[in-house]
Amino acid sequence: NAGVTQTPKFQVLKTGQSMTLQCAQDMNHNSMYWYRQDPGMGLRLIYYSASEGTTDKGEVPNGYNVSRLNKREFSLRLESAAPSQTSVYFCASFRVKTEAFFGQGTRLTVV
Amino acid sequence: ELKVEQNPLFLSMQEGKNYTIYCNYSTTSDRLYWYRQDPGKSLESLFVLLSNGAVKQEGRLMASLDTKARLSTLHITAAVHDLSATYFCAVDINDYKLSFGAGTTVTVRA
Repeated sequence: NAGVTQTPKFQVLKTGQSMTLQCAQDMNHNSMYWYRQDPGMGLRLIYYSASEGTTDKGEVPNGYNVSRLNKREFSLRLESAAPSQTSVYFCASFRVKTEAFFGQGTRLTVV
Repeated sequence: ELKVEQNPLFLSMQEGKNYTIYCNYSTTSDRLYWYRQDPGKSLESLFVLLSNGAVKQEGRLMASLDTKARLSTLHITAAVHDLSATYFCAVDINDYKLSFGAGTTVTVRA
């Protein structure tokens, strides 16, 4: 039972480079999320997808795009990475009134 | 916009003593969640509270929810070193958006 699988675990990018973070869940959840975690700021919602085919902005969407490829997969793309996007990124899936399940996180450094 | 506030943000506990972490939120909701995060790790679920007056207990941790006061508490009984971690509360208000507090970093000392 894999839960939420997130790749890669670590990544270093140069300013201006692009990359896609991948996330897949095997729990048949409708809702999936991307958060970033910075010291002292908790988890801030970047984008979420309430169901397959829909995506919506969260608190801090600037500089990111997402794709809900199917019910299982939800990817996050950085088109032109900036040092301010250095963070730990978590993908999560969630069914209302139950716990959310989180991936292991991606530690991204933009130099 | 929903705001979720935790206090304290840092908590140094002495082994064997009792402590409480508070979670206030700004918009009506009857769904509140507590998570634990160990350093360098992901988040794991502790409690799911789904109604006013809900109380859940697991080991030395007990969580409660007062939806009228928009307040949840996480009570730690007789702290032990294994409880050192960061604790987050989270609230969802429209069935989709899960918003987190800033977290309370707990250190338990002998």
